[in-house]
Amino acid sequence: NAGVMQNPRHLVRRRGQEARLRCSPMKGHSHVYWYRQLPEEGLKFMVYLQKENIIDESGMPKERFSAEFPKEGPSILRIQQVVRGDSAAYFCASSRSGVTDTQYFGPGTRLTVL
Amino acid sequence: QQQVKQSPQSLIVQKGGISIINCAYENTAFDYFPWYQQFPGKGPALLIAIRPDVSEKKEGRFTISFNKSAKQFSLHIMDSQPGDSATYFCAASILGSGNEKLTFGTGTRLTIIP
Repeated sequence: NAGVMQNPRHLVRRRGQEARLRCSPMKGHSHVYWYRQLPEEGLKFMVYLQKENIIDESGMPKERFSAEFPKEGPSILRIQQVVRGDSAAYFCASSRSGVTDTQYFGPGTRLTVL
Repeated sequence: QQQVKQSPQSLIVQKGGISIINCAYENTAFDYFPWYQQFPGKGPALLIAIRPDVSEKKEGRFTISFNKSAKQFSLHIMDSQPGDSATYFCAASILGSGNEKLTFGTGTRLTIIP
């Protein structure tokens, strides 16, 4: 049973470009959480999604960031017009029910903005 | 506002010794306290977790101690081994809320020396 998959694992973008990060949850999981880890810091919650619904986006910057989890396909975290401060590791986690269930993390996407 | 405070930031322990990492939380609504282990370049992996209805939980060499009145919990690693060298994160969430996003501590980099 494959775990949570994220791609790309490493992404380099120049300032002003767009970054698209993908997350495929574990089989049977319909709840996805995105977290951001800045260098030497802990993980910070960004957004929680279920299929076709954004449940909580309180941790996501209001501008330039968006997330989706379509009925078919992976969850996408999109960052428009990236800035150097967006450089971080972005992790997604999935769970089966979203209630009293373990979150399993992917290997992360390390975004570097030049 | 940091809702989960973790200490120490880094820890060096001799092989065979006991590693102790401490966390304190502010939000009394938290009722699920997991510890995650992260190796370089990897995503966090759940190590052990506790609910506040018990004061201690043990799994192999790993023990969580929980003090509800003090709003503190700690991870003890007995007989520490070089393979335990990793970054450890405590976290907290509210189970059954319909949104079980995790609030993480800032992490402890543990190094086990021979």
